[in-house]
Amino acid sequence: EAEVAQSPRYKITEKSQAVAFWCDPISGHATLYWYRQILGQGPELLVQFQDESVVDDSQLPKDRFSAERLKGVDSTLKIQPAELGDSAMYLCASSSGQGTSKAYNEQFFGPGTRLTVL
Amino acid sequence: SQKIEQNSEALNIQEGKTATLTCNYTNYSPAYLQWYRQDPGRGPVFLLLIRENEKEKRKERLKVTFDTTLKQSLFHITASQPADSATYLCAPSYLGGRRALTFGSGTRLQVQP
Repeated sequence: EAEVAQSPRYKITEKSQAVAFWCDPISGHATLYWYRQILGQGPELLVQFQDESVVDDSQLPKDRFSAERLKGVDSTLKIQPAELGDSAMYLCASSSGQGTSKAYNEQFFGPGTRLTVL
Repeated sequence: SQKIEQNSEALNIQEGKTATLTCNYTNYSPAYLQWYRQDPGRGPVFLLLIRENEKEKRKERLKVTFDTTLKQSLFHITASQPADSATYLCAPSYLGGRRALTFGSGTRLQVQP
């Protein structure tokens, strides 16, 4: 069964360092999402891609976060510099994005990357 | 801005009983609503989607209702089992939006054997 892959699963870093997370969505899925989930809360969207284009990054702290999906397949999320408040689970999800109601498709989530900033 | 409310307190029930979880939303009218299950340390898993013109949706032991007047969705698990213990997230969205789902904070369900 196809799955969304993420790496690393765990990352510990010191504040002011740079970190990067990688996501490989389900093959053929045009829409890719990065979410941040703080313990005890629901996932919060950081950025949404349709193919290689960003369609929503309104919640992405652009002074320190960046995301790219150069070939419209896998994606990288970077934080530079990391801050203590960035400690969270970073989730990647993908959906097929087909049809007129493409925003309504179920999303398939990866296992996440647990980031701890010391 | 839109607000999504799920009971933050954990729901504890006995095995075999029906669990009912509530999702309330304000300040907008979603065209559909999804429910996800999340186990500790893992990503959410899709369970059900219900559209605004549907009153009820069923899948095996799961049932979801959607009341657009009350701005509320109820999620039911009948004949609950300890394996149903998890956090359940509701995620309404809205017609025409490119924006991805907006998730509630989730309700943790604990089914006691």
